[in-house]
Amino acid sequence: DGGITQSPKYLFRKEGQNVTLSCEQNLNHDAMYWYRQDPGQGLRLIYYSQIVNDFQKGDIAEGYSVSREKKESFPLTVTSAQKNPTAFYLCASSKLSSNEQFFGPGTRLTVL
Amino acid sequence: AQSVTQPDIHITVSEGASLELRCNYSYGATPYLFWYVQSPGQGLQLLLKYFSGDTLVQGIKGFEAEFKRSQSSFNLRKPSVHWSDAAEYFCAVVPVVNAGNMLTFGGGTRLMVKP
Repeated sequence: DGGITQSPKYLFRKEGQNVTLSCEQNLNHDAMYWYRQDPGQGLRLIYYSQIVNDFQKGDIAEGYSVSREKKESFPLTVTSAQKNPTAFYLCASSKLSSNEQFFGPGTRLTVL
Repeated sequence: AQSVTQPDIHITVSEGASLELRCNYSYGATPYLFWYVQSPGQGLQLLLKYFSGDTLVQGIKGFEAEFKRSQSSFNLRKPSVHWSDAAEYFCAVVPVVNAGNMLTFGGGTRLMVKP
């Protein structure tokens, strides 16, 4: 089955620790995206990548980092610099020729 | 500023009743328009999209949306709601002139369905 997987589904970390969220897709999509979702605020774009080894900041990139070493993978690291990291994180992918994005099931990160 | 607005944060309807969820955008040119649905704790699923052509768009699960240029709106409708439609609904846009295909989302509308 083609799709996007995110792991883990739930993640707990202590304040001050970096944490990496996984996102993998087997849809052969060139573009991948990370969004943060907070209650009542919709989704906000953190980072996106349209090609391997290249990525751009979105609207709320501060305190986050990404890498794109493989087409299929786009991991997101939430660093200790992120002031309020507790949120639901969604990964998405799309063809470059299409505006339609496909979403993973999300990871809920709780920082204690 | 360019934005997407969903005026209703919560809506409650009775099962079998009709539904309309509102979405307004403020962009100079008509953007590409989308509606997504999210069940609790899950990712987003695309319900329907509008790029051009017929302004009434049919989607999955019996949903439809109508693009009204004069009102800058793209409201989602369903003639008869089922209990399984309880979820959060997001309107999203991509400006036509957008090299990165970036989606901008509204704040979402949470739909509750009464038996």
